[in-house]
Amino acid sequence: SQKIEQNSEALNIQEGKTATLTCNYTNYSPAYLQWYRQDPGRGPVFLLLIRENEKEKRKERLKVTFDTTLKQSLFHITASQPADSATYLCALDPRDNYGQNFVFGPGTRLSVLP
Amino acid sequence: NAGVTQTPKFQVLKTGQSMTLQCAQDMNHNSMYWYRQDPGMGLRLIYYSASEGTTDKGEVPNGYNVSRLNKREFSLRLESAAPSQTSVYFCASSERWGAEEKLFFGSGTQLSVL
Repeated sequence: SQKIEQNSEALNIQEGKTATLTCNYTNYSPAYLQWYRQDPGRGPVFLLLIRENEKEKRKERLKVTFDTTLKQSLFHITASQPADSATYLCALDPRDNYGQNFVFGPGTRLSVLP
Repeated sequence: NAGVTQTPKFQVLKTGQSMTLQCAQDMNHNSMYWYRQDPGMGLRLIYYSASEGTTDKGEVPNGYNVSRLNKREFSLRLESAAPSQTSVYFCASSERWGAEEKLFFGSGTQLSVL
């Protein structure tokens, strides 16, 4: 069956450390993968998109990698801050319906402790 | 610039009651979506509309109907609410660059069916 997993439901790290979140998928061949941030009581907000032919993408303190052989994306937040505490969702384009639909992982709730 | 606006934010229904969730976007996007979010299951697509006048079923359409009233508005109707429809509902619209899309979400409707 097709599914997306994110490494853990919750992750606690100390302020200043690097947070690493994992997204694994099976039985998809996505053209690209996205990461979203969701705060309590709010809708997800787009952060980064990485294409299948890109190994790595950076935006400020965020870094995303994409390994299509391992079927895995890693999301890193360097020099983490308490304001980074949120749930992070990965989403992929399943390459059917020409990108009309997205498939989301269940999310990882990150807590950055001061 | 409001983005994607959903109403209401909260709703409590009794089993068998009907209601309509409203969604409007002011970004001139062609595609709009309705998702539900349940703990541990990620966002699941209910219905989507690729353009004004068209709608298609997503992963979990049973018990729901939609209307794409015009380019701005996409409503979701529950004809006879069931406890299994207790969830948080998100409307989204998408912006497309070539083959890639990015989703913009509303702030959600928390629905409880008793």
